[in-house]
Amino acid sequence: AQSVTQLDSHVSVSEGTPVLLRCNYSSSYSPSLFWYVQHPNKGLQLLLKYTSAATLVKGINGFEAEFKKSETSFHLTKPSAHMSDAAEYFCVVSLPNTGFQKLVFGTGTRLLVSP
Amino acid sequence: DGGITQSPKYLFRKEGQNVTLSCEQNLNHDAMYWYRQDPGQGLRLIYYSQIVNDFQKGDIAEGYSVSREKKESFPLTVTSAQKNPTAFYLCASMQGAGTDTQYFGPGTRLTVL
Repeated sequence: AQSVTQLDSHVSVSEGTPVLLRCNYSSSYSPSLFWYVQHPNKGLQLLLKYTSAATLVKGINGFEAEFKKSETSFHLTKPSAHMSDAAEYFCVVSLPNTGFQKLVFGTGTRLLVSP
Repeated sequence: DGGITQSPKYLFRKEGQNVTLSCEQNLNHDAMYWYRQDPGQGLRLIYYSQIVNDFQKGDIAEGYSVSREKKESFPLTVTSAQKNPTAFYLCASMQGAGTDTQYFGPGTRLTVL
């Protein structure tokens, strides 16, 4: 069965320092993977997605993620955190070949950014 | 502006009452989805619809019902049979399938008093 594990429920960084949010996936197939961001009491916004093209995926707001099949990982990084990055981040895998897109969500990582 | 709207933003319900959450999209997307979000958990799929007049149960459909009479609208009814309805509800839509992107509405927070 397809699943994702977000290894940290909370990550705290200082403004201007690098961000690393960790995600491991489990999939019997070559997966499609996504990172979404959610600000408080808001909907989700797509940051980036991996669909079996380039393994290094660049997203919006300076975020990027690298698909590593050997490690079954899809960690999200940003070189320098900004206060506006404080939010909840979800790693998501898409189930394949089901005739529709079914997303399986991780439990989320809350990013805290201090001045 | 194209997008997905959900109303109301906040909803309070007494136990034993049914309530309907609205979801409208003007993106001309075929597929629409309803998710439930609880604190500390990821989103869970309630219902989805790939085309007008057709919808399927997701992972946690018990106590919920939907309709899809128009392409742009996918209302969700939370019935009195739903044992723990207090949650944040998110609607999403998507044009195709597979690796396409789901676009999310701003959500409705339902509280049962």
